[in-house]
Amino acid sequence: ELKVEQNPLFLSMQEGKNYTIYCNYSTTSDRLYWYRQDPGKSLESLFVLLSNGAVKQEGRLMASLDTKARLSTLHITAAVHDLSATYFCAVDEAGGSEKLVFGKGTKLTVNP
Amino acid sequence: NAGVTQTPKFQVLKTGQSMTLQCAQDMNHEYMSWYRQDPGMGLRLIHYSVGAGITDQGEVPNGYNVSRSTTEDFPLRLLSAAPSQTSVYFCASSYTTTGTDTQYFGPGTRLTVL
Repeated sequence: ELKVEQNPLFLSMQEGKNYTIYCNYSTTSDRLYWYRQDPGKSLESLFVLLSNGAVKQEGRLMASLDTKARLSTLHITAAVHDLSATYFCAVDEAGGSEKLVFGKGTKLTVNP
Repeated sequence: NAGVTQTPKFQVLKTGQSMTLQCAQDMNHEYMSWYRQDPGMGLRLIHYSVGAGITDQGEVPNGYNVSRSTTEDFPLRLLSAAPSQTSVYFCASSYTTTGTDTQYFGPGTRLTVL
């Protein structure tokens, strides 16, 4: 059974600082997704990572995937208040089944 | 395109009542799914469909039924509501059935069962 763990679950950081959110998963998969959720809102897709070594960047966010370590990271560079949200990683249960298993989410708060 | 739409936005039920949560997408997506989101639990897959006439169970299917008679619509039926089904329900769809595309989420239905 696939398990997905995110660390940390809560993150409070200052504007301008860098930080990394980690997503570990327990069984082989080469499809990993990152989503953002604002309070009371739906999920917004950030990144789709489809192979070992995949790296994608959008603005101050960069995501990477290491399938051998079963690890994905979401790196935040020079955080700004607008990045405050909950970030979820999700892993495809069978590497192409579309059955996603989500982590519990990382609630990020960026303070001025 | 309206994307993925869900109705209603909010619903309050009494224990034992039944209801249907509606989900529709206008993007001609083959894959559709239902998730529930509970505080501190992330999202959990209830049921999914890889095309019209094809459905299967996810991680937490008990107490829910689905059907997919058209590509566009994927309703979720609660047969006899229980307080444990109080949650936020999200419908999602994807163009592919092989995991190479992201899933697009609807706005959610917040359900309370008393």
